[in-house]
Amino acid sequence: DIQMTQSPSFLSAYVGERVTITCQASQAISNYLNWYQQKPGKAPRLLIYDAGKLDTRVPSRFSGSGSGTHFTFTIETLQPEDIATYYCQQYDTLVSFGGGTKVEIK
Amino acid sequence: EVQLVESGGGLVQPGGHLRLSCAVSGFRFDIYAMSWVRQAPGKGLEWVSFISDDGDNTKYADSVKGRFTVSRDNSKNTLYLQMNSLRVEDTAVYFCATDPQAGSSPWGFDSWGQGTLVTVSS
Repeated sequence: DIQMTQSPSFLSAYVGERVTITCQASQAISNYLNWYQQKPGKAPRLLIYDAGKLDTRVPSRFSGSGSGTHFTFTIETLQPEDIATYYCQQYDTLVSFGGGTKVEIK
Repeated sequence: EVQLVESGGGLVQPGGHLRLSCAVSGFRFDIYAMSWVRQAPGKGLEWVSFISDDGDNTKYADSVKGRFTVSRDNSKNTLYLQMNSLRVEDTAVYFCATDPQAGSSPWGFDSWGQGTLVTVSS
């Protein structure tokens, strides 16, 4: 099984600040990685696919990069509506998710 | 408008069974692979099972293999999850989700239902 380790598990930042989340795979997964946003009480939403491609209607302040075992997800300028938990997900071998990063406004 | 509506959740005793359904509308169900993803209360996401667009290929997480069975009826635009030998640790909100990449393995999930809660407790 491929383990996905996300960090940090929690972060607090100011509106307008740049936020970065990392995801480490236990083995190389090429660019077979997606990122999701989940707001409280809601279903997840696909934001980034294939490590760096923005899904439809996703604001351009979100971005992703990386390949192999190390990936990053960035919110360029944090907005109040970005308060959520973010998950990475690999699909190299079946599917597994990272543990999540809860983002709050400072 | 794409809609996925799960049903069939509820309270069940350990060792019991439930069948979840996911009724879809607003898109061509028979050309989409589908998955079930669950989320235990206050916890992260866990992929459960996958089924290809034609139903010929299925995959399962190790935690449910041999106990859960995924199926679909393309004539009824409905996805199912038969859950047997339920355990306390199966307690979670179960989401159905579309997988837009054609293939025999899961890729990712671009539309989701609102989820149905399964509680396994004595």
